[in-house]
Amino acid sequence: AQSVTQLDSHVSVSEGTPVLLRCNYSSSYSPSLFWYVQHPNKGLQLLLKYTSAATLVKGINGFEAEFKKSETSFHLTKPSAHMSDAAEYFCVVSPLGSGYNKLIFGAGTRLAVHP
Amino acid sequence: KAGVTQTPRYLIKTRGQQVTLSCSPISGHRSVSWYQQTPGQGLQFLFEYFSETQRNKGNFPGRFSGRQFSNSRSEMNVSTLELGDSALYLCASSWLGALNEKLFFGSGTQLSVL
Repeated sequence: AQSVTQLDSHVSVSEGTPVLLRCNYSSSYSPSLFWYVQHPNKGLQLLLKYTSAATLVKGINGFEAEFKKSETSFHLTKPSAHMSDAAEYFCVVSPLGSGYNKLIFGAGTRLAVHP
Repeated sequence: KAGVTQTPRYLIKTRGQQVTLSCSPISGHRSVSWYQQTPGQGLQFLFEYFSETQRNKGNFPGRFSGRQFSNSRSEMNVSTLELGDSALYLCASSWLGALNEKLFFGSGTQLSVL
């Protein structure tokens, strides 16, 4: 079965410093992977998605993620954190053959950004 | 363009009651899916509907059911509520519900079961 593991439940950074949110996936073949963000009292928003076209995926708000098959990782990065980036981030896999839109979410990483 | 609308925003029920949640997708979207979010279990897939047909279902008991209307609006129903059903229920819509399609989420309905 496909799954994702987010390695950190909480990450704290200072404004202007880099952000790294780690995600490992488990799959016997190249999965479709996503990062979603959830701000307090708001729905989830898609940051970026990997669908095997390119290993480095650029998303919204300056975020990007690199698919590394050898490491089964899909870490999310941003060069410089902004206060508005404080939110919960979810690494998500869409299992091939599972049917339509059945997403499997990681446990989430809560990002805190300090001034 | 209006986003995904979920009503009500908050609900308080007691054990044994039933509840109906509503979701209006983005205009033109025909796929609607539902997720349950709890602190303990995280986000879990409930079911997905397309053109009034349930195409996919998660591992939830039969007390959880849903339907979709011809205008793509969807409802989910939980019967015989249990304390553990307290959660944020999120609805998401997309054009076709295809494998890599972007989902648009609503803000959710926060259900508290007392």
